[in-house]
Amino acid sequence: EAQVTQNPRYLITVTGKKLTVTCSQNMNHEYMSWYRQDPGLGLRQIYYSMNVEVTDKGDVPEGYKVSRKEKRNFPLILESPSPNQTSLYFCASSLLAGGSYEQYFGPGTRLTVT
Amino acid sequence: AQSVAQPEDQVNVAEGNPLTVKCTYSVSGNPYLFWYVQYPNRGLQFLLKYITGDNLVKGSYGFEAEFNKSQTSFHLKKPSALVSDSALYFCAVRDGYKLSFGAGTTVTVRA
Repeated sequence: EAQVTQNPRYLITVTGKKLTVTCSQNMNHEYMSWYRQDPGLGLRQIYYSMNVEVTDKGDVPEGYKVSRKEKRNFPLILESPSPNQTSLYFCASSLLAGGSYEQYFGPGTRLTVT
Repeated sequence: AQSVAQPEDQVNVAEGNPLTVKCTYSVSGNPYLFWYVQYPNRGLQFLLKYITGDNLVKGSYGFEAEFNKSQTSFHLKKPSALVSDSALYFCAVRDGYKLSFGAGTTVTVRA
């Protein structure tokens, strides 16, 4: 089954404790992206990657890191989480060929930073 | 920089009535426009897209959207709404490799 998986689905942590949210896709997509969803703000793009070892900042990259060492994986790293990073996080992937970038989304990770 | 506006936080309609969810956009180049739907406690699902061609785009679940270049709009429509269409709808625009989403519109269809 074609899918994007994220782990963990739920995470409660404390300020300053480094964490990683994993994202993996099995569709051989070149493009992967991370978003955060906050009430009234919709989805905001954090980082995206056009292929292995190629990443770039979205609209809200501060406080986040990413890496793309393999085509299928795109982990999101919070080196020192803060309460304002409490949010619902989505990973997504798409093909680049054809130019449409129709996104396939993971199920989401709900993060709470206390 | 690109941006998307969804002027209505909520849309309420009766089942069987037409449904419209509004979206306006701003982008420097040719617009690549999308609609996504999010059902409760689920991820987002792709509904439809406009890349080029006909201004009326048909998508999943009976939805369609009308692209209007002069009004920079991309409104989502469904001729006859179902209770199961109740969800959160997002409009999005692509500019280069970046995607921008609107704040979302909550649609409630009452029986």
